Amino acid sequence: KQEVTQIPAALSVPEGENLVLNCSFTDSAIYNLQWFRQDPGKGLTSLLLIQSSQREQTSGRLNASLDKSSGRSTLYIAASQPGDSATYLCAVKGGSARQLTFGSGTQLTVLP
Amino acid sequence: DAGVIQSPRHEVTEMGQEVTLRCKPISGHDYLFWYRQTMMRGLELLIYFNNNVPIDDSGMPEDRFSAKMPNASFSTLKIQPSEPRDSAVYFCASSLKVRGTEAFFGQGTRLTVV
Repeated sequence: KQEVTQIPAALSVPEGENLVLNCSFTDSAIYNLQWFRQDPGKGLTSLLLIQSSQREQTSGRLNASLDKSSGRSTLYIAASQPGDSATYLCAVKGGSARQLTFGSGTQLTVLP
Repeated sequence: DAGVIQSPRHEVTEMGQEVTLRCKPISGHDYLFWYRQTMMRGLELLIYFNNNVPIDDSGMPEDRFSAKMPNASFSTLKIQPSEPRDSAVYFCASSLKVRGTEAFFGQGTRLTVV
């Protein structure tokens, strides 16, 4: 059974700092990995999707990497802003299933 | 497309009552998923459909939970009778048939059972 772990559970940084969020998964037979953002009381917003054949994806200040063999992904946020404060969730799709398996998330606070 | 649409956004009901949550997936998507999010257990898959057919309902917690997808544009998740421990945010998501495609989530229904 796929298990997804995110470390740290919470992170607080000053505005302008670059930061890295970590995600690890136990079964490397994945189709893709998706990073989401969730604001308090809101739904999930997809940030980046990395296919199993890709090494990284970039969108603006966000860069996500994937090392399938080691079961790891990172989300890099450059020049963080208070508006980046949210919970970031990592999810993998793989095996015989079509559903996503989620990590428990990293709650990010960017201090002005 | 307006994205995945869920209704209601908030639902407060008394224990023992029937609750029905609704979802309209993105047009053309073949897969529909129901997830539940709680503080204790995070996001968990309840059930998913492929072309309106339930494929895996192993995540449905009890017989009190049931889900249907009568057509490609509508799905319901029903809880009968509801209990306070069912209080959670319920998300619906949809994706295309191709394995590597992105999943899109609705805004969720926050259910409170008192």
